[in-house]
Amino acid sequence: AQSVTQLDSHVSVSEGTPVLLRCNYSSSYSPSLFWYVQHPNKGLQLLLKYTSAATLVKGINGFEAEFKKSETSFHLTKPSAHMSDAAEYFCVVSYYSSASKIIFGSGTRLSIRP
Amino acid sequence: NAGVTQTPKFQVLKTGQSMTLQCAQDMNHEYMSWYRQDPGMGLRLIHYSVGAGITDQGEVPNGYNVSRSTTEDFPLRLLSAAPSQTSVYFCASSYSPGASSGNTIYFGEGSWLTVV
Repeated sequence: AQSVTQLDSHVSVSEGTPVLLRCNYSSSYSPSLFWYVQHPNKGLQLLLKYTSAATLVKGINGFEAEFKKSETSFHLTKPSAHMSDAAEYFCVVSYYSSASKIIFGSGTRLSIRP
Repeated sequence: NAGVTQTPKFQVLKTGQSMTLQCAQDMNHEYMSWYRQDPGMGLRLIHYSVGAGITDQGEVPNGYNVSRSTTEDFPLRLLSAAPSQTSVYFCASSYSPGASSGNTIYFGEGSWLTVV
């Protein structure tokens, strides 16, 4: 069965330090992978997506993610955290095989310490 | 091009009342879906549609009804609201769910629903 797991429900980092949000997926098919960000009381905004082209994907606001098929991972990183990065982040997996298969991770709340 | 438009943004209902959350997209997307978001549970799929006239149930369909008479619109109906349906609801659309082109999923701004 297809699934997506965000390994940390909450990550706290100091401003200016690196950010790592982890996402693993399981799938029998080639997936499309996305990271979305949700600021408090707001909708979901696309950060980046992997579409079977380059395995290192660059997104908005300095975020990037690397697709590692051997590890079935799609971790989100940023070299230097900013206070405005504090939000909820969702890893999303989409499969071509079935119309219902857009699966959300449970989310990771990112806190930034001054 | 307005993207995905959801209305209303906020709504308070009494138990047993009915209401419809509206969702419209102007991108000619085939796939539309409704999610609810609850603390600590991420987004859960309620219903989805792969095209006009075609709908199916997601993970948590009970208490909700949908229809897809046009490509643009995908309303979500609560027939008899219950406090357990207090949640934030998101409508989403994409050209198709997945595919090698990695079709972006677009979300509405959300609808905050409280059932008292």
